[in-house]
Amino acid sequence: NAGVTQTPKFRVLKTGQSMTLLCAQDMNHEYMYWYRQDPGMGLRLIHYSVGEGTTAKGEVPDGYNVSRLKKQNFLLGLESAAPSQTSVYFCAWGIAKNIQYFGAGTRLSVL
Amino acid sequence: GNSVTQMEGPVTLSEEAFLTINCTYTATGYPSLFWYVQYPGEGLQLLLKATKADDKGSNKGFEATYRKETTSFHLEKGSVQVSDSAVYFCALSTGGGNKLTFGTGTQLKVEL
Repeated sequence: NAGVTQTPKFRVLKTGQSMTLLCAQDMNHEYMYWYRQDPGMGLRLIHYSVGEGTTAKGEVPDGYNVSRLKKQNFLLGLESAAPSQTSVYFCAWGIAKNIQYFGAGTRLSVL
Repeated sequence: GNSVTQMEGPVTLSEEAFLTINCTYTATGYPSLFWYVQYPGEGLQLLLKATKADDKGSNKGFEATYRKETTSFHLEKGSVQVSDSAVYFCALSTGGGNKLTFGTGTQLKVEL
């Protein structure tokens, strides 16, 4: 996964706080994605982007916002965190048709 | 819509045993099919893929065949090792944006 960084790795928030997760790449990938992983539910797509300046909703977009102002960065924001957003968040990117590669994940706890 | 159904785990096997993890799907359009593996504390890694009917994906001794008639993509390995212990996810992709739909994952534990 060289060339792509997902930060932070861990975070604890209080209900109502905000935060931004960053997925940064220097490999010119067009497609980027944010997923959340919860026990017994697999991975669910939150938002995705097919290129600079574009974003689209996935399966579970409520409570999240995203931006892709520069091709290199895909940001996931939580404006007012809720305990239901406690999860592991994964950034992913596409380098070929239908193939996605995943970051190491961010473990978020909302108290 | 798209959906993927996997057998529930955990699956516990002895080393050198034969592995099958079942995966079936429903999809609009003609999907590509994938198996991803997640080792403890890590992100998902692509294990293998198949993009059309009767294709066989293979990697690291694992195999899966795209069966359109039964809408299945079962993962198999002839002889598992302790190092294969992980969570395995079946997934499919259709349409624009290359979006993936995942199954819930199957945990595999391999014991000596």
